[in-house]
Amino acid sequence: GESVGLHLPTLSVQEGDNSIINCAYSNSASDYFIWYKQESGKGPQFIIDIRSNMDKRQGQRVTVLLNKTVKHLSLQIAATQPGDSAVYFCADGGGTSYGKLTFGQGTILTVHP
Amino acid sequence: NAGVTQTPKFQVLKTGQSMTLQCAQDMNHNSMYWYRQDPGMGLRLIYYSASEGTTDKGEVPNGYNVSRLNKREFSLRLESAAPSQTSVYFCASSESWWTSEQYFGPGTRLTVT
Repeated sequence: GESVGLHLPTLSVQEGDNSIINCAYSNSASDYFIWYKQESGKGPQFIIDIRSNMDKRQGQRVTVLLNKTVKHLSLQIAATQPGDSAVYFCADGGGTSYGKLTFGQGTILTVHP
Repeated sequence: NAGVTQTPKFQVLKTGQSMTLQCAQDMNHNSMYWYRQDPGMGLRLIYYSASEGTTDKGEVPNGYNVSRLNKREFSLRLESAAPSQTSVYFCASSESWWTSEQYFGPGTRLTVT
C-alpha cells in the first residue's frame, strides 16, 4: 500500500544549528504534505503544510521543500532551540483519500544546549 | 478554548472487556478523527467523521466502532478489548474535510492485559 517513510530515525544537533529532517513518500496522487511536531506525552501539533503544486514554503523558522521528482520532502528548522526537541512526523493526504492522513514513522530530534 | 479534550487519560482493561473513549472539541469543527499510535510508529487512522452524521473506516478499523454524537463529540468504542489494542489513542478535529490542519487531543493511553 501507500506509505510515507523517513530516512533517519534520530537527529542530534547543537543549539543554534540548522536542522534538516527528511521524508520519502510513495503516493504520487497526494495533494498536500504536512509536518507535525510531537512532544513527549502530548498529541501532535501542526507545523506547516505544502501543496503538491509548490516546491517550497516558509514559516516561522521553518522551511519545507518538496521534490516530486524523487518523492521527497524535508523540514528545515533554522537556529534550532532546545524547545524544538521532539518527534517530527511527515504525513500526506489528499488525492483519492482526502482528509485521511498517512503518517511516517517519525524522527526524534534532540537539541543539545 | 480547550481545543480537543479526551477522557480518560489512562485506562487498563482485561482482555474481553469493553470501554468507550470520549472526545470533544470546542472549535466548531466539522471533521473529527480517531488515530492509534503504537511505540516507535506514526499514527494510523482508525475511523473518521467528515461531517456530523457521517462516519467511515480508516486504515485500521477492525475491533472498533465509533459514534458522532453531535458536532462536538466523537466517541470510540472497543467492544471486546484485545492485547493488540494496547496503544495510545488520539482524537483530532479539523475545520473541514478539505482542511489539511488537524488539531489533536492529548491522547488516551490504553493497556489491555
